Amino acid sequence: GAVVSQHPSWVICKSGTSVKIECRSLDFQATTMFWYRQFPKQSLMLMATSNEGSKATYEQGVEKDKFLINHASLTLSTLTVTSAHPEDSSFYICSARVRGAIGTDTQYFGPGTRLTVL
Amino acid sequence: RKEVEQDPGPFNVPEGATVAFNCTYSNSASQSFFWYRQDCRKEPKLLMSVYSSGNEDGRFTAQLNRASQYISLLIRDSKLSDSATYLCAVDSSGTYKYIFGTGTRLKVLA
Repeated sequence: GAVVSQHPSWVICKSGTSVKIECRSLDFQATTMFWYRQFPKQSLMLMATSNEGSKATYEQGVEKDKFLINHASLTLSTLTVTSAHPEDSSFYICSARVRGAIGTDTQYFGPGTRLTVL
Repeated sequence: RKEVEQDPGPFNVPEGATVAFNCTYSNSASQSFFWYRQDCRKEPKLLMSVYSSGNEDGRFTAQLNRASQYISLLIRDSKLSDSATYLCAVDSSGTYKYIFGTGTRLKVLA
């Protein structure tokens, strides 16, 4: 399957700081990437859709000014958690949309970034 | 009612057993369906897409029942390494945004 990388794999930061997470498609171009958040023992919750060259689309309840998304190239999307607080501690996972024949698009996930805010 | 629902389990089965999970979805217009496997503290990995005609990959068989709005995953001859959480994902709006179930936890016991 397609390879998606994420960096860093884990980060610990102080409350009030900002954290940038990178998501890269390694062997293909991804016009669309997705950012998810997963709290312990819960499912993945879609935060936003990142489209290359345009503004991200945020899901209801997700603050766009707090979670800044930039998709500057066909292989890189970044998520910046601004002024992080302990309640932002979570597992952040990106995915990249891989196009197939009509109706067969799939998503491949990066390894995730575990964020702990002290 | 949640858009996508799964029995959280855990399903504890002995090695060699056959086990099946279901995943129900509420939007009858849903178009694409997938099963992912997620190991503890790892990212989900695509197990298989679910096609209208059903599909099989080795010990794994996925089926779609549009009339009753559910997808299923059957695992035959369970291995210890099959222990994981199995997530279903549904593209309910045709926008390639997936709605995930909460996952079904499987433990295969020696």
